[in-house]
Amino acid sequence: AQSVTQLDSHVSVSEGTPVLLRCNYSSSYSPSLFWYVQHPNKGLQLLLKYTSAATLVKGINGFEAEFKKSETSFHLTKPSAHMSDAAEYFCVVTSTGFQKLVFGTGTRLLVSP
Amino acid sequence: DTEVTQTPKHLVMGMTNKKSLKCEQHMGHRAMYWYKQKAKKPPELMFVYSYEKLSINESVPSRFSPECPNSSLLNLHLHALQPEDSALYLCASSQEAGADTQYFGPGTRLTVL
Repeated sequence: AQSVTQLDSHVSVSEGTPVLLRCNYSSSYSPSLFWYVQHPNKGLQLLLKYTSAATLVKGINGFEAEFKKSETSFHLTKPSAHMSDAAEYFCVVTSTGFQKLVFGTGTRLLVSP
Repeated sequence: DTEVTQTPKHLVMGMTNKKSLKCEQHMGHRAMYWYKQKAKKPPELMFVYSYEKLSINESVPSRFSPECPNSSLLNLHLHALQPEDSALYLCASSQEAGADTQYFGPGTRLTVL
C-alpha cells in the first residue's frame, strides 16, 4: 500500500524567508515521488520528481527536495520565498507498475510582504 | 513541449443537459487520465486510458462517459449530472501508465445548476 502525509495544511512565511513543506510517505515498493503546485483555479504544475537517481532533487523556480529513505520523508524547500509562490502544494507518490498517483491532502503556502 | 490543453475552460449546465469536455496532448503520450477536484481537496482519479483502451474506472457513475478517439484526444461526455458534480475536471497524460510523470491540463470548471 502507498500513502502520503503532508504534515501541515497551511504554512505562512514572509517574502524572502525560507520555505519548508513537509511530506512523509509510505510505500511497499521503490517509490517515485513528486511535488506539484497548483495556483488558484489552475491545473497542477510539476515542480520536481524523485526516481532514485539522486537523493537531492532540484526543481523549477528554485525549489528542491531531499529524499530520505530512513525517515521516509520528501520535504520541499526553497531558500527565499517570493509572493508568486503562494499556492497549494501536493506531495504525490506512486510506484512502477501502478497506474495511480496517490496524493497528499495538500499544503497551502501563504506568503506575506 | 509538455502542454495538455482542455476545452472549455468553464461550463455551466443544467441537470438535463448533455455536454462534453475535451482534452488534447501532442507529446506522443500513450496514457491519459481524467480527475475530478473539489475545492480545497486533492484531485481524485476517475478514469485511466492506456493505448486508447480504458484500463481503470474508479467506480464512476455512468452519467460520466469517457471516450478516447485516438492517442491524442480524450473526451468526457456528461449527461444528467447532479449539482454535487460541480468541480474542476482535470485531464493529464503520461508517456506510459504507471510511474511516469503525469502532465496536467488547466482544467474545466464545471457548474451544474
